[in-house]
Amino acid sequence: KNEVEQSPQNLTAQEGEFITINCSYSVGISALHWLQQHPGGGIVSLFMLSSGKKKHGRLIATINIQEKHSSLHITASHPRDSAVYICAVRWGNQFYFGTGTSLTVIP
Amino acid sequence: DSGVTQTPKHLITATGQRVTLRCSPRSGDLSVYWYQQSLDQGLQFLIHYYNGEERAKGNILERFSAQQFPDLHSELNLSSLELGDSALYFCASSVAGWKTQYFGPGTRLLVL
Repeated sequence: KNEVEQSPQNLTAQEGEFITINCSYSVGISALHWLQQHPGGGIVSLFMLSSGKKKHGRLIATINIQEKHSSLHITASHPRDSAVYICAVRWGNQFYFGTGTSLTVIP
Repeated sequence: DSGVTQTPKHLITATGQRVTLRCSPRSGDLSVYWYQQSLDQGLQFLIHYYNGEERAKGNILERFSAQQFPDLHSELNLSSLELGDSALYFCASSVAGWKTQYFGPGTRLLVL
């Protein structure tokens, strides 16, 4: 049983497109994280949120606690956004990861 | 650069051996987390230390152990290595428990 489900698994977009990646979880969580993993393997934490919405540059993350769902949006996508985006949830003292969404943005 | 350092970057060893992975957190961060990323299981949480004390255990095998030292660096010890232990091992640090985490570059372990 996977506590965290992401969709889509793979996504190809043209430069400039608006992108949405979805994350659903099955447990009552303390916080949800969005991570970005670059092709070289490095991981960067994009957002940590427990309610509402956060924005950083062209990235927006939202969470709906009642529906156990979060979305990561990328506006005006760019080839440098190509990466794997991973949703992770903290439940008590445990941390569960989604399988990731591989995004390719074509110039 | 996240400010988190991990050594070594790459490690090749044989089944049955023991290795130690090292992590130095960002200056001022008290929490250290260890994660394993394998091709078949994705990212998994292994263990969390805060200011020298173990705070939470995830899917860490009994053959694995970790500790955080007084200078806050941490080591992950993997023993009786099996082929399936081949993976990327990340550490991350945060200022306190379960705040925004900063990831190290990872140690790529290959068990032959």
